[in-house]
Amino acid sequence: DGGITQSPKYLFRKEGQNVTLSCEQNLNHDAMYWYRQDPGQGLRLIYYSQIVNDFQKGDIAEGYSVSREKKESFPLTVTSAQKNPTAFYLCASSLLARTKANYGYTFGSGTRLTVV
Amino acid sequence: DAKTTQPTSMDCAEGRAANLPCNHSTISGNEYVYWYRQIHSQGPQYIIHGLKNNETNEMASLIITEDRKSSTLILPHATLRDTAVYYCIAENYNAGNMLTFGGGTRLMVKP
Repeated sequence: DGGITQSPKYLFRKEGQNVTLSCEQNLNHDAMYWYRQDPGQGLRLIYYSQIVNDFQKGDIAEGYSVSREKKESFPLTVTSAQKNPTAFYLCASSLLARTKANYGYTFGSGTRLTVV
Repeated sequence: DAKTTQPTSMDCAEGRAANLPCNHSTISGNEYVYWYRQIHSQGPQYIIHGLKNNETNEMASLIITEDRKSSTLILPHATLRDTAVYYCIAENYNAGNMLTFGGGTRLMVKP
């Protein structure tokens, strides 16, 4: 089955440590996205990539880094520079071609990061 | 970017239709309206999308006004499992079809 996989589901880290969240898709989607969600809030865009080896900052990129070495993979690193890293992180992917059958974004099930 | 406005929360009785409104008065003629929902602690799930015409699928119906400034998502027979946050999104065509998620409407379906 095609889909988008995020791992791990729960992650605990000590303050000051970098941590990398995994996101893999086998949908042959062009674009991939990372969102952050805080309790009771909507989704905020961290980074997105529309093509391999290229990515763009979203609204809240400070303290985060990404890479897109393969079409299928878009890992997110939460660095020690991120002031409040504890949050729910969601990865998504999409086609870029605009057709009526383009269902927008497909989301992963998320990674809940807790920094102690 | 076309911005959307939704009520913060709504209640609906189980078995009744849930009608969720959305305003998108600045939407451009070539921008789609998408609806997603997010059940607690899960990733958002696609529901439906449309451009001009009303749309229906196995999950819901989407009614878009003729001037495209607003739309309504209809869940015809709401169940307890439809309790979720519902996001109405106007696609940003000029930013590579970017979807920007706002706060959404928290729908509570009650027995």
